[in-house]
Amino acid sequence: KQEVTQIPAALSVPEGENLVLNCSFTDSAIYNLQWFRQDPGKGLTSLLLIQSSQREQTSGRLNASLDKSSGRSTLYIAASQPGDSATYLCAVVRGSTLGRLYFGRGTQLTVWP
Amino acid sequence: AAGVIQSPRHLIKEKRETATLKCYPIPRHDTVYWYQQGPGQDPQFLISFYEKMQSDKGSIPDRFSAQQFSDYHSELNMSSLELGDSALYFCASSIRQGRSTEAFFGQGTRLTVV
Repeated sequence: KQEVTQIPAALSVPEGENLVLNCSFTDSAIYNLQWFRQDPGKGLTSLLLIQSSQREQTSGRLNASLDKSSGRSTLYIAASQPGDSATYLCAVVRGSTLGRLYFGRGTQLTVWP
Repeated sequence: AAGVIQSPRHLIKEKRETATLKCYPIPRHDTVYWYQQGPGQDPQFLISFYEKMQSDKGSIPDRFSAQQFSDYHSELNMSSLELGDSALYFCASSIRQGRSTEAFFGQGTRLTVV
């Protein structure tokens, strides 16, 4: 069974800080890993997708890395802004093409001015 | 760009009633997924369809059923509703192109059972 854990569960930082969100998964035979952002009561916005053969992906101030052998991924947010406040969810697809996502509980991020 | 459309956005039902949630995937996407997210919980996979056939099944109660139609939209039918069914229901779509299965989510339907 695939279990996904995210640490920390919550994070509160002042604006401008660089921060790292952690995700770990128990079954390293993943197909890909996706980071999402969720605002309260809203849908999931895809931030970054990392294929199992890749080591990292970058989009603007976001950088996600993947170490499949150790079952870990990190999401790095540079120069955080209040608008980054949201819950960040990590999800993995197991080694098949069916696409089912296994989610972590998320990290609730608050960036204060 | 077109996104995944879900309707309705909010739904209030009484216990033992039925509900139907609709999902319109991104054009040309061939796979639809349904997820349930309870309060403070992570999304849980319910069921998925690829090219209108059920492709995977998760923790979907027997009271629920789903299908994907010829135009690729999908419906989740929920019967004998219980208070515990109150949750945010998401639909996602993707396209099986090469090795990429990036999933795109709709805004969700918030179901409240009273």
